[in-house]
Amino acid sequence: EDQVTQSPEALRLQEGESSSLNCSYTVSGLRGLFWYRQDPGKGPEFLFTLYSAGEEKEKERLKATLTKKESFLHITAPKPEDSATYLCAVTFMEYGNKLVFGAGTILRVKS
Amino acid sequence: DTGVSQDPRHKITKRGQNVTFRCDPISEHNRLYWYRQTLGQGPEFLTYFQNEAQLEKSRLLSDRFSAERPKGSFSTLEIQRTEQGDSAMYLCASSLVQTMNTEAFFGQGTRLTVV
Repeated sequence: EDQVTQSPEALRLQEGESSSLNCSYTVSGLRGLFWYRQDPGKGPEFLFTLYSAGEEKEKERLKATLTKKESFLHITAPKPEDSATYLCAVTFMEYGNKLVFGAGTILRVKS
Repeated sequence: DTGVSQDPRHKITKRGQNVTFRCDPISEHNRLYWYRQTLGQGPEFLTYFQNEAQLEKSRLLSDRFSAERPKGSFSTLEIQRTEQGDSAMYLCASSLVQTMNTEAFFGQGTRLTVV
């Protein structure tokens, strides 16, 4: 069973069309949930860390939220430069500080 | 640039050859991780170091893989007798565990192609 599941697998938006990406997890003893952005051929770029349900973080057009079993990455009025793969990862008690990643959501924003 | 640095960025090798990758972490970070990523998947944990000690290796990691972090600074990942299934992006990340924030910062990766 996948521990971290991201949906949708791919998302196409028009510039300015707001939407949300989902990350759900089945692990218990969550220590942290992390969002990364990854451009083709490059390493993941850190965006946010969330530690407890109800927590929210914002950066420019991105806002990440966390509940007990899932996280959302909200993208407000996206621009073409927001096109990338967005990866979600968790660390949990049983697994130490190692990140367990989902497969990612490929976001394409058209102008 | 004070980010995580990986070398080389790309490596093409013939099956059966040995390859070695290098990672220079962010200077004050005490943890260093190696991950592997294949197309369409998220990165998968391979091994990690705290300072110079290798604390854990993934059960998925073949005996052909070995990693070192002499003096707790840079790290190397060696793959012996490469196989086509080793083709992937190899990512290094570092973090500072002493703080509440345990975010890991990644390098640009080494793309390995085994032909």
